[in-house]
Amino acid sequence: EVQLVESGGGLVKPGGSLKLSCVASGFSLSYAWMTWVRQAPGKGLEWVGRIKRETDGGTADYAAPVKGRFTISRDDSQNTLFLIMNSLRTEDTAIYYCATGGGANGYDDWGQGTLVSVSS
Amino acid sequence: QSALTQPRSVSGSPGQSVTISCTGSIINDGGYNYVSWYQQHPGKAPKLLIHGVSQRPSGVPDRFSGSKSGDTASLTISGLQAEDEADYFCCSYTGSYAYVFGPGTKVSVL
Repeated sequence: EVQLVESGGGLVKPGGSLKLSCVASGFSLSYAWMTWVRQAPGKGLEWVGRIKRETDGGTADYAAPVKGRFTISRDDSQNTLFLIMNSLRTEDTAIYYCATGGGANGYDDWGQGTLVSVSS
Repeated sequence: QSALTQPRSVSGSPGQSVTISCTGSIINDGGYNYVSWYQQHPGKAPKLLIHGVSQRPSGVPDRFSGSKSGDTASLTISGLQAEDEADYFCCSYTGSYAYVFGPGTKVSVL
């Protein structure tokens, strides 16, 4: 059974940094393109970015609001996906979900999410 | 402001059919069929219902179907059931190595 477990969320001040992790089990992360999606409290889903599997280049693409501030990386040996967030803003406050897939075939499996709150 | 528009809410009685639209130029740009639909119950993670405009993953009831015409993709729920009351989001490739979600539609079962 595929399982994704996010962690690393918390309260951070504007301008601060945070690193989220997504541990995958039930499949080998090395075979998967992975995506981060966020959801601000009471709002809709927002695509954050995705990373290709290493055999497809391992590069990442980002949504305009986070480009240059967020970095998606992966450690396939640890079956773990990361989201490194710098220069955080209040509008980055959201639940952050990791999901399997790069988008073309949808996002099959989702974690339970981790809450990031950016506030002074 | 999302590049996709969805009705804020739709409603129907049990057994009826409802259709949710998802409109935007990116739906038809480039000839991509990278449109997917998600169901989200309160406090839960989203669930994939449809990908590739009309492909249903295994385990998703055939009451859920997807289609596309021009700049509009649609999700139809046939034989509406109480457990279908949830938020529904479309998602489309933008053509610029990124994806975007629609604002979401709340489905109410009367």
